[in-house]
Amino acid sequence: GAVVSQHPSWVICKSGTSVKIECRSLDFQATTMFWYRQFPKQSLMLMATSNEGSKATYEQGVEKDKFLINHASLTLSTLTVTSAHPEDSSFYICSAKALLVHSTDTQYFGPGTRLTVL
Amino acid sequence: AQKITQTQPGMFVQEKEAVTLDCTYDTSDPSYGLFWYKQPSSGEMIFLIYQGSYDQQNATEGRYSLNFQKARKSANLVISASQLGDSAMYFCAMRVPFSGGYNKLIFGAGTRLAVHP
Repeated sequence: GAVVSQHPSWVICKSGTSVKIECRSLDFQATTMFWYRQFPKQSLMLMATSNEGSKATYEQGVEKDKFLINHASLTLSTLTVTSAHPEDSSFYICSAKALLVHSTDTQYFGPGTRLTVL
Repeated sequence: AQKITQTQPGMFVQEKEAVTLDCTYDTSDPSYGLFWYKQPSSGEMIFLIYQGSYDQQNATEGRYSLNFQKARKSANLVISASQLGDSAMYFCAMRVPFSGGYNKLIFGAGTRLAVHP
């Protein structure tokens, strides 16, 4: 149980284009989904938190208009990197927290998306 | 300030031996949760074990156990009988509250574990 998928697993795009990354909880409903960014050999940096049906909450320093997040249902959240530039190249990981009465708030992570912007 | 510290950038262990990965935390909130995740070279984050601040006993999950010392604010991960497949990056994380009554995780810098045959 608690499987989270992410698509695509990797993407290469040209500078200036937009890229959409999907995050799905496959066998549970997720009240909250999180988007992280990870640079090589570094820890995870939280970018934003999204709750189904409401606006995402972005961490300080993360541009809302650059990284658009939509949490359309209890099983799907999308991250769109708009007008991508080479400095946006990174490993993006989503996670989902289950809708449970007695929850430890455990986050289950997707396999990640490696974005390369040329 | 809420913070997670992992002071070991890298660790080596012989196959079948036990290894302890250190994690200390800082928080003023009496209610918190501590997590350990494993990240193999493929990149996915695998949840290993959870310890709640009010849990009376140390958490265990198979070969993983958490040495929780509340007074010292440490939550070390112990892996018993190491296997080659345990070679990975290990992250300690703490659940902290943020706006709107929600919680988020803050992560340590990670420890890279290499298991040698």
